[in-house]
Amino acid sequence: EAQVTQNPRYLITVTGKKLTVTCSQNMNHEYMSWYRQDPGLGLRQIYYSMNVEVTDKGDVPEGYKVSRKEKRNFPLILESPSPNQTSLYFCASSLSWQVYNSPLHFGNGTRLTVT
Amino acid sequence: AQSVAQPEDQVNVAEGNPLTVKCTYSVSGNPYLFWYVQYPNRGLQFLLKYITGDNLVKGSYGFEAEFNKSQTSFHLKKPSALVSDSALYFCAGGHSGAGSYQLTFGKGTKLSVIP
Repeated sequence: EAQVTQNPRYLITVTGKKLTVTCSQNMNHEYMSWYRQDPGLGLRQIYYSMNVEVTDKGDVPEGYKVSRKEKRNFPLILESPSPNQTSLYFCASSLSWQVYNSPLHFGNGTRLTVT
Repeated sequence: AQSVAQPEDQVNVAEGNPLTVKCTYSVSGNPYLFWYVQYPNRGLQFLLKYITGDNLVKGSYGFEAEFNKSQTSFHLKKPSALVSDSALYFCAGGHSGAGSYQLTFGKGTKLSVIP
């Protein structure tokens, strides 16, 4: 089944403890992206990748890191999480980096709580 | 800069009645517009997209959207609402020029269909 898989689904952590949220897609998609969803703010893009080893900042990249060493994987790294990073995170992928023409496929989300 | 607005945080409609979820956009050049739906505890799912052509776009689950260039709107519609349509709906916009690797999402509209 074609899908985007994120892990974990739920994560509670403490301020400053490094964490990684994994994302993997099995559709051979070029483009991958991370979003955060907050009430009243909708979806905001954190980072995106147009292909292997090509990543760039989205609208809210502060406090996050990403890497794209393989086409299928795009982990999101929080080196020193803070409470304002408590949010619902989504990974998405698309066949083409020209996302105006190619629908995004989303994972089921990771709900992160930082205390 | 491009922007997408969903003027209603919540829309309530009785089962069987027609529904409309509103979206307006500001996109340079020719706009590419999308509707996504998010069911509880799930990621966003693609519903339909507009690319230059017919102003009425048909999508999944009986939904359609009407593109109106003069009003810069892309409203989502369905002739007869089902309780199972209750979900969070997101409008998104992009364009084919510089920055075509990013979509801008609206803040979302919660649709409640009342039995």
